[in-house]
Amino acid sequence: EVQLVESGGGLVQPGGSLRLSCAASGFTFSSYTMHWVRQAPGKGLEYVSAISSDGGSTYYANSVKGRFTISRDNSKNTLYLQMGSLRAEDMAVYYCARGRSSSSWSAFDIWGQGTMVTVSS
Amino acid sequence: QSVLTQPPSVSAAPGQKVTISCSGSSSNIGSNSVSWYQQLPGTAPKLLIYENNKRPSGIPDRFSGSKSGTSATLGITGLQTGDEADYYCGTWDSSLSAGVFGGGTKLTVL
Repeated sequence: EVQLVESGGGLVQPGGSLRLSCAASGFTFSSYTMHWVRQAPGKGLEYVSAISSDGGSTYYANSVKGRFTISRDNSKNTLYLQMGSLRAEDMAVYYCARGRSSSSWSAFDIWGQGTMVTVSS
Repeated sequence: QSVLTQPPSVSAAPGQKVTISCSGSSSNIGSNSVSWYQQLPGTAPKLLIYENNKRPSGIPDRFSGSKSGTSATLGITGLQTGDEADYYCGTWDSSLSAGVFGGGTKLTVL
């Protein structure tokens, strides 16, 4: 079964750090772009970050640039999001999602169940 | 404020047709393909349409997509109560070098 499973969410204080993981299974992980999308409580989807299939190219929303780092380990079929200098407005459910191909940057065909990040003192 | 603009809500009766618009600019919709997602309450988004008008396997042909210039449209025919959900358009923005989404449209099937 093709599957993405996020982990690493939780409660963190403002200014703190957190690392999210997304374990992939059921497909050739190294053949796809991967993405992080978040959704604040009661709000819409917000794009966070993307990484190419080989990890050589990364992209970020302006709202997280300089604070978040996306990476992947193709040998472990795992996607990561290192989050730093966290703010209240970063509080959201974070989804990892698969691009439809190694060249797809805007069509996400597989989504994880999401992991909640709460930023509060 | 979302980069792509969608109506906050639309509604129609069961069996009827509804369209949801998504407006952008030359740096996003105007130069990249559009995707549409359905998000049922409490669940992750689901891809409905990719590359403007293509449906993934398993998506019924009641769902259709189109694009013209800097706008895109999702159409849903034969509305069912199970179609009640939030719908989002998305694409890549070449100026931002990042993905962008619309603010979402809540569909109510009356």
